[in-house]
Amino acid sequence: GNSVTQMEGPVTLSEEAFLTINCTYTATGYPSLFWYVQYPGEGLQLLLKATKADDKGSNKGFEATYRKETTSFHLEKGSVQVSDSAVYFCALLGGSEKLVFGKGTKLTVNP
Amino acid sequence: DSGVTQTPKHLITATGQRVTLRCSPRSGDLSVYWYQQSLDQGLQFLIQYYNGEERAKGNILERFSAQQFPDLHSELNLSSLELGDSALYFCASSGTVSYNEQFFGPGTRLTVL
Repeated sequence: GNSVTQMEGPVTLSEEAFLTINCTYTATGYPSLFWYVQYPGEGLQLLLKATKADDKGSNKGFEATYRKETTSFHLEKGSVQVSDSAVYFCALLGGSEKLVFGKGTKLTVNP
Repeated sequence: DSGVTQTPKHLITATGQRVTLRCSPRSGDLSVYWYQQSLDQGLQFLIQYYNGEERAKGNILERFSAQQFPDLHSELNLSSLELGDSALYFCASSGTVSYNEQFFGPGTRLTVL
């Protein structure tokens, strides 16, 4: 079945540091890929998405590129802020319409 | 604000009890999804409804059931509750335009004592 593996945290960075959170997937067909973010005490918010190979999703300075050859969708940000502290989930959507999530990576950014 | 509402925000109950969680999707969205987030299992898909009909089932226990009403709101019923059912339950909705994008509600935190 479909699955998502993302790097386990927690990740702690200083403000303005570069962020990478690795995500790889296993899926049949051509899934859509997503990054969701969960701020403390809140629900899930869609951060960015990509629906086909080589697509780049971007939002709020975050980027991720759908790499079919490496089955990856790594999340990057050039300069993190304290307000980026949250849990980040990589997810895929296959033909079944159900989202399959990774385990989440907790990011803490210190001033 | 995603436009998806869930009530109640918190629920504390005892083992063996039954509870109902409610979800109202974004205006116009026909699909409703339920997910469970627990420390052990992470985020898991439970069930999907589309325009009142069950469309897909995930790792949903037999003690759990759901339905979607004609006004498109949905309810998740959890019965014979166990300690392990304590979790955050999310509802999400999607529409025909952004069919591959699911919008999540704020969740209901269930605590079973």
